[in-house]
Amino acid sequence: AQSVSQHNHHVILSEAASLELGCNYSYGGTVNLFWYVQYPGQHLQLLLKYFSGDPLVKGIKGFEAEFIKSKFSFNLRKPSVQWSDTAEYFCAVTLLLAGSARQLTFGSGTQLTVLP
Amino acid sequence: DVKVTQSSRYLVKRTGEKVFLECVQDMDHENMFWYRQDPGLGLRLIYFSYDVKMKEKGDIPEGYSVSREKKERFSLILESASTNQTSMYLCASGRDRSSYNSPLHFGNGTRLTVT
Repeated sequence: AQSVSQHNHHVILSEAASLELGCNYSYGGTVNLFWYVQYPGQHLQLLLKYFSGDPLVKGIKGFEAEFIKSKFSFNLRKPSVQWSDTAEYFCAVTLLLAGSARQLTFGSGTQLTVLP
Repeated sequence: DVKVTQSSRYLVKRTGEKVFLECVQDMDHENMFWYRQDPGLGLRLIYFSYDVKMKEKGDIPEGYSVSREKKERFSLILESASTNQTSMYLCASGRDRSSYNSPLHFGNGTRLTVT
């Protein structure tokens, strides 16, 4: 079965610091990749997604992620974090079976705390 | 904007009770999902449905069942609640199966406590 690993459970940064959250998946076939974010008290929402093409994808609020197929990774980055980025971040993967995607598998999440 | 509504934000039930969690989406999505979210474990898929009256088991279906009598409504049922089912339950919906690449839309969650 596919799995998604997020090795950082809790990251604490000061404002303006750079961010990189790791995400690795275990499936060797074609995948679709997502990062979701959950701000305190709010529902999960999509941050960015990768389906094909340019492996560097840009999302909302200045976030970007790079798909490195050889490393089975899809790390999330932001050059300068803000206090409002405090949230829990989830990496998710969908594997493609015969051209028809299956359900999302989520990582365990990374809680990001940005200190003002 | 897509809206996924879960009927209860907080729920407290006793061990052995039958529990119904309701979810309604307003965008005519074919796909609907139930996840539970636990600290350190992320989101784990319980059941999902690609069509009315259709259901498939996710990764952790034991102790749960589901019902999809109408396209917009997907219910999660705990036949006999147990304390290890205390969790945050998230409902999600997404577009048709052939365009599953579209993102999921989540409800606000139901925090269930079983005592």
